[in-house]
Parts: sequence; structure tokens; C-alpha cells
Amino acid sequence: EAAVTQSPRNKVAVTGGKVTLSCNQTNNHNNMYWYRQDTGHGLRLIHYSYGAGSTEKGDIPDGYKASRPSQENFSLILELATPSQTSVYFCASGDDRGQSQDTQYFGPGTRLLVL
Amino acid sequence: GDKVKQSPSALSLQEGTNSALRCNFSIAATTVQWFLQNPRGSLINLFYLVPGTKENGRLKSAFDSKESYSTLHIRDAQLEDSGTYFCAAEATNTGGLSGKLTFGEGTQVTVIS
Repeated sequence: EAAVTQSPRNKVAVTGGKVTLSCNQTNNHNNMYWYRQDTGHGLRLIHYSYGAGSTEKGDIPDGYKASRPSQENFSLILELATPSQTSVYFCASGDDRGQSQDTQYFGPGTRLLVL
Repeated sequence: GDKVKQSPSALSLQEGTNSALRCNFSIAATTVQWFLQNPRGSLINLFYLVPGTKENGRLKSAFDSKESYSTLHIRDAQLEDSGTYFCAAEATNTGGLSGKLTFGEGTQVTVIS
């Protein structure tokens, strides 16, 4: 089973500060994803990646950047954090199944509080 | 709008009973995944579906792409089935690359003894 880890697990940041959330997967999956989960919205896709060096905008990319320096690592960067970015962030990985996505495996989540 | 609509939004089940959760899609879904978010917050993949049905223990899921819906049936509900169930649909984009998953807002299930 895929192992997806996230760090930190909890983070308190100040408005205007820079925040980097890290994700690591050890199953050699091509695709990685960053979601945020807020009450009443389910999970929403922020950025995703098809492999090392690639990043794609998801459904709500504004205020976020992403970086995929290697197959294993995918980071989410908040250059200027705002209180509206207080949320729980999930990273996921998965492979392709033909022209479709395969099963996604999720990390444990990071709780971010921006004061 | 709601591209993936889940119903009901919340459900209380007596232990040992059966129930069904539903997702309706307003996108051309090609595959569907069902997840359980347990009370600790972990997201666990339950099913990956192309059109058709799958069964795993007391859970059974179906996906009808023509009628644009998917169902998840829970049989003989147990306390450990409590949590929030999410469905997510993929609609392959025109570029032929893997599509993105769009999640519903979840069904909160509470199993009571």
C-alpha cells in the first residue's frame, strides 16, 4: 500500500508570512495532488503534478504555489499567508490507469492556522 | 454549481441495519472513487469504479455513467463504519491526460448501538 507522509502535521503562521507544506510518497507514483478541506466544501484541488518538474493548477490555485522537485516530493507554498487559508491540507498520490487516474492514496493531513 | 452532489448529507444508522448513499454527477464522469474519512481524519480509499459494480465485505458500490450516478451500500452497519463518506468523480479532459477528481461534500454517517 502507498505511503504518503506530510509535514508538518500542525502549523500556526502569521498573516503575511511564508508557509511551506511538504509531502513525500514512497510508492513511485507519477501523480501527486494538494487539496484543502473546509467544512461545507469537501475536498478541493489546489495544485497537482504529473511527475518531477511538472505542476498544474487545480480548481482553487490562487494564493498557492507548488513545487515537484522529485518523484517523491511535492510541496505547497503559501508566499503570503492569509487567515482565509486556515484549513486542513491533504496531499495524495496516484498513478495513471490508461487515460484515467488510478486510486488516490492520501496523507494524514496538515492543520494550518493563520493568525 | 454542484458538479458532484451527495445525498443524504447526514445519516444515523442503527447497528446491524442497511443503508445506501448516493452521488449524482453533472459532469461526464468516467471513473468514480469512494473514500471514508474516519473520526481521526484519515482518508481511506474504499472503491475505484469504472461503470459497473464492486463489492468488498459489507460494502457494495455501483457506478452508472449513462445515468450519471453512483451508490454505496452499507450492509449490517457496525460502529466502525462511522465517519464521513466522500465520492469523487473523474472526467477525462480533452487533452487525453488523466483528469482531476472532483469531490462531493460528503455524507456523515453515525452508527449507533
